Amino acid sequence: QSVLTQPPSASGTPGQRVTISCSGSSSNIGSNYVYWYQQLPGTAPKLLIYRNNQWPSGVPDRFSGSKSGTSASLAISGLRSEDEADYYCAAWDDSLSGWVFGGGTKLTVL
Amino acid sequence: QVQLVQSGAEVKKPGASVKVSCKASGYTFRDYGINWVRQAPGQGLEWMGWVSTYNGATHYAQKLQGRVTMTTDTSTSTVYMDLRSLTSDDTAVYYCARETCTNDLCYPEHWGQGTLVTVSS
Repeated sequence: QSVLTQPPSASGTPGQRVTISCSGSSSNIGSNYVYWYQQLPGTAPKLLIYRNNQWPSGVPDRFSGSKSGTSASLAISGLRSEDEADYYCAAWDDSLSGWVFGGGTKLTVL
Repeated sequence: QVQLVQSGAEVKKPGASVKVSCKASGYTFRDYGINWVRQAPGQGLEWMGWVSTYNGATHYAQKLQGRVTMTTDTSTSTVYMDLRSLTSDDTAVYYCARETCTNDLCYPEHWGQGTLVTVSS
């Protein structure tokens, strides 16, 4: 059971915009930044969004993050086949004194 | 560029220990701490802990306290994760992840390729 809650799956067609939600609590998302990772099949996670809505170098702005209260979301616009991957949200948890992750959302591009 | 190269796959029996290495290059080793994160087959990510490459300080996930030890070797720019008393629940891919810090807030950014540890009798 993951501390952060994500839908197990999401889907969209090429060119579409999809969003993935991430729900937490006051001890994690409610008081700390949210991070998003993309994990392509058989590879290590890759940082996609940091500090709620910032892009690491090389990440296209088709990916965007937002946060409100104890929830966050990742939006992907102009969906492409190469976006098919697992997406994880993460945040520091003050009560657990450690990083917590969502269970992951498998994105399928139809 | 930042590179983290991990040791190869391991097969261990229940009750044994495993030591996974993570060799860093492409930056000043002592400037950034290393996190360890694991992923059981078909499951999500689980943070295991963090080690300072500056002074060796550690911070472990409560769940693994007493069973995990993270150490550094600055002479070879290598970080080690030692996990003891293995059970089948420890079967997972283990990742090291170097942090990046912005305004004193640090987060895992650069990841190793992962090391599969299989625990089986």
